[in-house]
Amino acid sequence: GEDVEQSLFLSVREGDSSVINCTYTDSSSTYLYWYKQEPGAGLQLLTYIFSNMDMKQDQRLTVLLNKKDKHLSLRIADTQTGDSAIYFCAESLNSNSGYALNFGKGTSLLVTP
Amino acid sequence: SAVISQKPSRDICQRGTSLTIQCQVDSQVTMMFWYRQQPGQSLTLIATANQGSEATYESGFVIDKFPISRPNLTFSTLTVSNMSPEDSSIYLCSVERGSLTYNEQFFGPGTRLTVL
Repeated sequence: GEDVEQSLFLSVREGDSSVINCTYTDSSSTYLYWYKQEPGAGLQLLTYIFSNMDMKQDQRLTVLLNKKDKHLSLRIADTQTGDSAIYFCAESLNSNSGYALNFGKGTSLLVTP
Repeated sequence: SAVISQKPSRDICQRGTSLTIQCQVDSQVTMMFWYRQQPGQSLTLIATANQGSEATYESGFVIDKFPISRPNLTFSTLTVSNMSPEDSSIYLCSVERGSLTYNEQFFGPGTRLTVL
């Protein structure tokens, strides 16, 4: 599929908020996802948002969706050193591939003490 | 949730050889997917594997290079054939689990392949 765009790096101090941005490509995507990948580990689904929603909050995570601009963001409140990881934005592909996902390149989040 | 295991977890192979990666799920699923994650890159979908039919390959991936089997609803294999160093990647399988509210994709831990 076409490219899902994300900034490559983000560095924040512990306790601050982190905001990771993503621009996706398919306006017909039903779901949009945020995955977390820690070093040497598999992909963990953090949260998702249905395309007819503007916002979703889940504990320290807030997802904002601007469907008009095809812009998705993930805000992590009170960021901790354990949040250091690569965060992938993904859109669902509505095609013969069922609900396969089109991923961004990932944003590497570094949280410093 | 779904528990997915992959074998091997990692391997180092010589160019020109082939490696078969296994993916086992703890419950029956209709759709399984194979992705590749090249070093420092995002995940790229290789193919969709449905039980009882041939896999559907994405642009840039062909069956001769990446043959896939899906003999039942809990198992699939991906073979990386005639390997070259460019095939060095993490290969991940995933499954789709639907619910009344949304479809979630669960990923296996990945197989880290290095081709010398």
